Amino acid sequence: AQSVTQLGSHVSVSEGALVLLRCNYSSSVPPYLFWYVQYPNQGLQLLLKYTSAATLVKGINGFEAEFKKSETSFHLTKPSAHMSDAAEYFCAVTPHPGGYNKLIFGAGTRLAVHP
Amino acid sequence: DAGVTQSPTHLIKTRGQQVTLRCSPKSGHDTVSWYQQALGQGPQFIFQYYEEEERQRGNFPDRFSGHQFPNYSSELNVNALLLGDSALYLCASSSTGDSNQPQHFGDGTRLSIL
Repeated sequence: AQSVTQLGSHVSVSEGALVLLRCNYSSSVPPYLFWYVQYPNQGLQLLLKYTSAATLVKGINGFEAEFKKSETSFHLTKPSAHMSDAAEYFCAVTPHPGGYNKLIFGAGTRLAVHP
Repeated sequence: DAGVTQSPTHLIKTRGQQVTLRCSPKSGHDTVSWYQQALGQGPQFIFQYYEEEERQRGNFPDRFSGHQFPNYSSELNVNALLLGDSALYLCASSSTGDSNQPQHFGDGTRLSIL
């Protein structure tokens, strides 16, 4: 069975500071991993995905994530936070890369950015 | 190119009632998945439809049922509503034949049970 754990339900950073959102996964098969962002009263928007190619994945809005098999981690980072980054972030896993299989989500991390 | 559209955006029902939520997938997508997102939690998979049949199902009771139409649009039906069914219901579409494309989500329907 697959599962995702996001450490820290709330993260607060200053504008311009490094953003680090943590995600650890459990999977009995090679996983495919995703980060989604959710702004208030909206659905989920894909930030980036890992599908067994490069372990360092670059996404939209300056975010990137590194797949570390030895640590079963897929942490999300951004060098410099912007006020517009304030949102809820979800890490998700699936055994297949495409749309065939269900996504299993973590509980989410709410990112606050203060001036 | 329209993305995933869901209707209605908000809905208020009382316990014991029945509700139908609707989803139109992104153009070119043939697979629709439904998720329930309770307040403060991550989305949970309800079920997935492909070729007008339920292909996968999560851990949800039979009160939750669905349908997919020939034009790939889908409905989620919930019977005998409980207070615990209050949540944001998200629809996601994808193309089964394209393994490189992830699921695209709509903005959801917020269902409140009184």
